[in-house]
Amino acid sequence: QKEVEQNSGPLSVPEGAIASLNCTYSDRVSQSFFWYRQYSGKSPELIMSIYSNGDKEDGRFTAQLNKASQYVSLLIRDSQPSDSATYLCAVGTSGTYKYIFGTGTRLKVLA
Amino acid sequence: NAGVTQTPKFQVLKTGQSMTLQCAQDMNHNSMYWYRQDPGMGLRLIYYSASEGTTDKGEVPNGYNVSRLNKREFSLRLESAAPSQTSVYFCASSALLVGRGYEQYFGPGTRLTVT
Repeated sequence: QKEVEQNSGPLSVPEGAIASLNCTYSDRVSQSFFWYRQYSGKSPELIMSIYSNGDKEDGRFTAQLNKASQYVSLLIRDSQPSDSATYLCAVGTSGTYKYIFGTGTRLKVLA
Repeated sequence: NAGVTQTPKFQVLKTGQSMTLQCAQDMNHNSMYWYRQDPGMGLRLIYYSASEGTTDKGEVPNGYNVSRLNKREFSLRLESAAPSQTSVYFCASSALLVGRGYEQYFGPGTRLTVT
């Protein structure tokens, strides 16, 4: 069983819509959660981190964490074609420096 | 502030050749990492260095060696390249941020092809 799972997509949404990306993880002691955006041929770029249950908003991005259900999600409001990329979920365990990455969800925002 | 830099950006090797991938960071981070990324496999950790003077194996260390030269630099060596090592290699660094955990920042990557 994969430790961090994401739907590979592609997830297609029209411009201006809300894109919802989901990630589940298996390690119950995980403490830190991250979303990275990766454009084709580029390196991952950190866009959100979340550490406690609930929502965290940053501009058009909202990260949601539910530790009891072991999932973390990323909402992108007012999606733009420039948001088209692969979104990677990463999970870290308290006291370690390492993350486990999911394989990513490809998002396509249609103009 | 360049962040994390990697050299070279592209490399083609023949099977059995050796090479070293270089990584440097100017963010004063303690921890550094080497990942490889293959289609459908996501990012997989090869080696990491929690702090200067220490290195540890990650998920896929076979065929690789690393050196943490100083706090800034972390190199990855392929002693005898194999076609299975064709991949994109990313270096990353992180520091513990109070209340924020270890946030990793990535270099631009090295695209390696082994023929």
